[in-house]
Amino acid sequence: DSGVTQTPKHLITATGQRVTLRCSPRSGDLSVYWYQQSLDQGLQFLIQYYNGEERAKGNILERFSAQQFPDLHSELNLSSLELGDSALYFCASSVGELGPSTDTQYFGPGTRLTVL
Amino acid sequence: AQKITQTQPGMFVQEKEAVTLDCTYDTSDPSYGLFWYKQPSSGEMIFLIYQGSYDQQNATEGRYSLNFQKARKSANLVISASQLGDSAMYFCAMREATQGGSEKLVFGKGTKLTVNP
Repeated sequence: DSGVTQTPKHLITATGQRVTLRCSPRSGDLSVYWYQQSLDQGLQFLIQYYNGEERAKGNILERFSAQQFPDLHSELNLSSLELGDSALYFCASSVGELGPSTDTQYFGPGTRLTVL
Repeated sequence: AQKITQTQPGMFVQEKEAVTLDCTYDTSDPSYGLFWYKQPSSGEMIFLIYQGSYDQQNATEGRYSLNFQKARKSANLVISASQLGDSAMYFCAMREATQGGSEKLVFGKGTKLTVNP
């Protein structure tokens, strides 16, 4: 158990809908990262938050957004869903000191999203 | 350009034998970190081992060791005394700097390891 929790574990929805994925980082971790794992794209970085502020953006679509709340949990919002958004979405957390570090990212169990 | 290359889509090993999973990387940053993660069929990503670019010795964690050859830009994972529970996908990842001084992980495509009894 990494200490990172994600809910829900599975999500099935229809095209055009909106969903929210939730992540709670490990105790003491300030950084939260979101990754998408799909068969064709592999594991890709989406976005990172550090202590409530957005720090880095990767290959995140405009239809997707995220935020980190004062209690450090994070939510990833996916809207106008398409079939191609079906994937495993991971949240990871780390202590998150800015700059080069030996920080290790610990991953949650993932949310498997299926868009029908 | 692909920054992490795992050339073995699949590997097979007999139980109790050792196996090496290959990983090569590409970076011009003198300070970087390399990670290996295990993903069983259940889907979770499990951190296995970390190697920093300035670490003088190869990292080890129990049955896992990292064969780090900096000049060749390779960071191969060695699993000793394979167990049936080692059957999984294994991902090599590199920490890469982002704009704003933060970091992200860049992953290879993974190697599927099957341990045979």
